[in-house]
Amino acid sequence: KAGVTQTPRYLIKTRGQQVTLSCSPISGHRSVSWYQQTPGQGLQFLFEYFSETQRNKGNFPGRFSGRQFSNSRSEMNVSTLELGDSALYLCASSKGLAGGRNEQFFGPGTRLTVL
Amino acid sequence: AQTVTQSQPEMSVQEAETVTLSCTYDTSESDYYLFWYKQPPSRQMILVIRQEAYKQQNATENRFSVNFQKAAKSFSLKISDSQLGDAAMYFCAYSDNQGGKLIFGQGTELSVKP
Repeated sequence: KAGVTQTPRYLIKTRGQQVTLSCSPISGHRSVSWYQQTPGQGLQFLFEYFSETQRNKGNFPGRFSGRQFSNSRSEMNVSTLELGDSALYLCASSKGLAGGRNEQFFGPGTRLTVL
Repeated sequence: AQTVTQSQPEMSVQEAETVTLSCTYDTSESDYYLFWYKQPPSRQMILVIRQEAYKQQNATENRFSVNFQKAAKSFSLKISDSQLGDAAMYFCAYSDNQGGKLIFGQGTELSVKP
């Protein structure tokens, strides 16, 4: 069974640009969550999608948005990039709504560098 | 708001020895879950062990076990017979029953000496 895949794996952008990251969950998984990992702030929850609906949102500005498609694949978008958006973006999928009962399986991440 | 604290930024252990990583958390919920995740240099997060708060019995997974002290809000990870492949960043995490949000601690970097 294929794991969670994220594309692209590495991305370099300049300030002010926008970026779209993609996440394909494990087959049969309907929940996708996104996390940002930086050396200073650690791992922070961005949002969770389940059946194409955003179920939970972290404390990030509106420049960060996401969506989920009917095949459970998810994308996240960051507009007007700032230097501080440089981070590893991790996606995780689970069978049902994530949380304690359903294990979250993580992808390898997308490393975003903003110059 | 829930918080997770790992007070040991770095730990070191000799191969085949035992090491314990500490984690404390704060929550007003009575039903929640606690996790230890491993993140090797590849950056792939891997679930090591999970504890359900309503279960008093400590979780174990092969060489990994936890000491869950609910009243003290403490959740430590013990790694027995440490192996070189255990070297990684270890994150303690919390989740309630309301949704998919995992709250992570700052991590403990574990090195294993041969």
